[in-house]
Parts: sequence; C-alpha cells; structure tokens
Amino acid sequence: RKEVEQDPGPFNVPEGATVAFNCTYSNSASQSFFWYRQDCRKEPKLLMSVYSSGNEDGRFTAQLNRASQYISLLIRDSKLSDSATYLCVVNQAGTALIFGKGTTLSVSS
Amino acid sequence: NAGVTQTPKFQVLKTGQSMTLQCAQDMNHNSMYWYRQDPGMGLRLIYYSASEGTTDKGEVPNGYNVSRLNKREFSLRLESAAPSQTSVYFCASSGGGTGEVEQYFGPGTRLTVT
Repeated sequence: RKEVEQDPGPFNVPEGATVAFNCTYSNSASQSFFWYRQDCRKEPKLLMSVYSSGNEDGRFTAQLNRASQYISLLIRDSKLSDSATYLCVVNQAGTALIFGKGTTLSVSS
Repeated sequence: NAGVTQTPKFQVLKTGQSMTLQCAQDMNHNSMYWYRQDPGMGLRLIYYSASEGTTDKGEVPNGYNVSRLNKREFSLRLESAAPSQTSVYFCASSGGGTGEVEQYFGPGTRLTVT
C-alpha cells in the first residue's frame, strides 16, 4: 500500500462548480498534513496546512480525519485559475515530507 | 528574498557525462532536499540535509551524490549520467522556525540524458 494515495483524476469541472479531492495515508504516526498546488511545468507551492479541526482559506476548505487517515480538500466556486495539480502531503516527526502523486483539476469556461 | 534558486534551468547530457545541480536558499532554513519528478511517479526524495554538515539518503539515492556546502547551499551531483536520470529535479528547503516543516521549492532543473 502506498504511503499517500490520491485519485489522479483528471477532474474536469465548469467554472463555479464545487469539487472535492480526497487523500488517504497509511502511517498513523503522521503528524503534519498539507495540500500543495503545482501548475504545469512549475514547482509545487504550499496551498494550505490541514488541521484536525479543519480549516478554511477563502474558497478552499481542508479537513483531516485521523481515525480514518483521510484528508480532503474542497474548492468552492471554481475559477479557471484553479486548474492545476493538487498534491496531498504528510509528515511524520523527524522525517521528510511524503508526497502523493497528485490530483489534476481542469476548470473550463 | 529570492527564496530557493536552482541552476541550471535546463540541461542536456550524454550518457556517462557528469554534472552538478546547484541550489541555494536565502530563508535561513536548516533543512534542504533534492527531489526528482517523473510522469506518473510523483515527487521522490533523492537526498536531504537536516542541518548544515549532515546528509541522508532518501527514496532514490542511487547514481547521485550531494554536498551541503554551507547553510545556504545544497548541490546534487550526477557522476555518470544515465538515460534513467532524465527527469525534473527540484530543490526545496524548510525549517525557518520551531516545528516549521512546510517546504519551499525552487523552480526546477529539466535534465535530459541522451
């Protein structure tokens, strides 16, 4: 079983749609969780950290379920500029980050 | 602040040639990393340096060596390039404060080995 698994997509949605990405991780000792965004032919950039209580940043909401070892990212009112690959990332204390392979989102007008 | 910089941006090598990828960060981070990214494989850690003077192997270290020259700089060397090392290489850094693990990436080096 891979350490961090994501549905690769692609997710093709119209502008204004709500879309949700899911991610599961295998190591229950994981302590920190993130969503990164990667545009085509660019470097990954931190989108948001994910906290147990859930957190929101504008149109983006991240949730963590430690019992199910599950992380989600919800994007509301999708924009063309949201088109990118979204990487689910986990960290265990004292180790490097572990990246999922990413979920590709394409938003069309 | 430039953040994380990498040179070169593009490189074409012939099999057997050697080269060094350079990385520097100006965020006073303690930890630095080298990843490779291949289609369908995601980001894979090659080597990392948790602090100046230390380096450790990641998931795919074979065929590579690294040097943590100082706190700012972390280089990746290919001694004898192989076509299997054709990839996009990203350098990253983290650790500007207590418990800060978010990583900041450079723009990448696109390497082709023929």
